[in-house]
Amino acid sequence: GENVEQHPSTLSVQEGDSAVIKCTYSDSASNYFPWYKQELGKRPQLIIDIRSNVGEKKDQRIAVTLNKTAKHFSLHITETQPEDSAVYFCAASIIQKLVFGTGTRLLVSP
Amino acid sequence: DTAVSQTPKYLVTQMGNDKSIKCEQNLGHDTMYWYKQDSKKFLKIMFSYNNKELIINETVPNRFSPKSPDKAHLNLHINSLELGDSAVYFCASSQDSGTEQYFGPGTRLTVT
Repeated sequence: GENVEQHPSTLSVQEGDSAVIKCTYSDSASNYFPWYKQELGKRPQLIIDIRSNVGEKKDQRIAVTLNKTAKHFSLHITETQPEDSAVYFCAASIIQKLVFGTGTRLLVSP
Repeated sequence: DTAVSQTPKYLVTQMGNDKSIKCEQNLGHDTMYWYKQDSKKFLKIMFSYNNKELIINETVPNRFSPKSPDKAHLNLHINSLELGDSAVYFCASSQDSGTEQYFGPGTRLTVT
């Protein structure tokens, strides 16, 4: 069925450390994989996305990798800062919609 | 110059009442969505409209009725509100189903 699993559910790191969030999807036809950041009380906002014809994409401290064979994709944040603290959602396009993962609460301690 | 806007931002009402949430986007997008985000932060799609036509209806009780008067608006009407309807409802829009979705600020609905 349509399923996107996301791990871990919570992640605590020290400022300056790296953070990695992993997702797996079930539909091999999925071809678009966005990542959203949601700060407390705010709307989800896109931070990076990747399409199935690309294996990796980077934007400053944020990178996303995609393994189509294994149906895995991951978000990597380097040199984390307290303002990176938020809930992060992965998503996969499945039949005209996005199916979201269950979210990862990232806490970056100064 | 707000891209996706929703009203109201907060809605507190009693069980059994009927209420509406309005959404507007000025991005010229063809597709609009309603999502429900529960207390555990799960984001679940409810409806999707493309050019005023319903294309996705995810096992949502028929107390929820979306209406799209034009491409830029997607409203959500909820009849006979129940306690379990309490959540944050987000509207979103995108050019098509496989591109970035832009979310509205959310409407926090509390049913007492």
